[in-house]
Amino acid sequence: LAKTTQPISMDSYEGQEVNITCSHNNIATNDYITWYQQFPSQGPRFIIQGYKTKVTNEVASLFIPADRKSSTLSLPRVSLSDTAVYYCLVGTGGFKTIFGAGTRLFVKA
Amino acid sequence: NAGVTQTPKFQVLKTGQSMTLQCAQDMNHEYMSWYRQDPGMGLRLIHYSVGAGITDQGEVPNGYNVSRSTTEDFPLRLLSAAPSQTSVYFCASRGRGGNTEAFFGQGTRLTVV
Repeated sequence: LAKTTQPISMDSYEGQEVNITCSHNNIATNDYITWYQQFPSQGPRFIIQGYKTKVTNEVASLFIPADRKSSTLSLPRVSLSDTAVYYCLVGTGGFKTIFGAGTRLFVKA
Repeated sequence: NAGVTQTPKFQVLKTGQSMTLQCAQDMNHEYMSWYRQDPGMGLRLIHYSVGAGITDQGEVPNGYNVSRSTTEDFPLRLLSAAPSQTSVYFCASRGRGGNTEAFFGQGTRLTVV
């Protein structure tokens, strides 16, 4: 299973774009990159997933360089409600999904 | 569509007691997992299952048992509760395949006194 490294915490202000980078140097050929969001007292929620290049949905964008050794989750124009923990996961979507410590994003007014 | 349902939402146990946390999903997912999350920490995998009748250990399996007699249900049993098992427990399910997302229940907050 590929190990991931992401910042422990980040601060931002409302209306700013937030980029959270995750390093996964030993990513395997078949691995996907998936990001989850977790609010206090709730289970994690899927945000976005990609394999290579760029993926965009209504919530976020995911940028993956050609070597796939890192990925960046981009949240456009964050609001207070985006304050949460964001997890980067790398794997084949198999049964043994391991979560790291995640990145605590705190959005200030 | 209920998704993943966990019961109970809250539970207080005395040291040494046993109990079962229930998890049910209605999405016909093959993969199911149990995680625990301690305050301010990430999720740690306890046990997982790749289908009915098949289970295996995760990162922190000691003190817990699981079974998977049906696709829908994946109960987690605490054999003899200890204060170190005070945590929030999440159940998750996902379909087979590399590009499937995991769906989580709302969690069970367990306190062992």
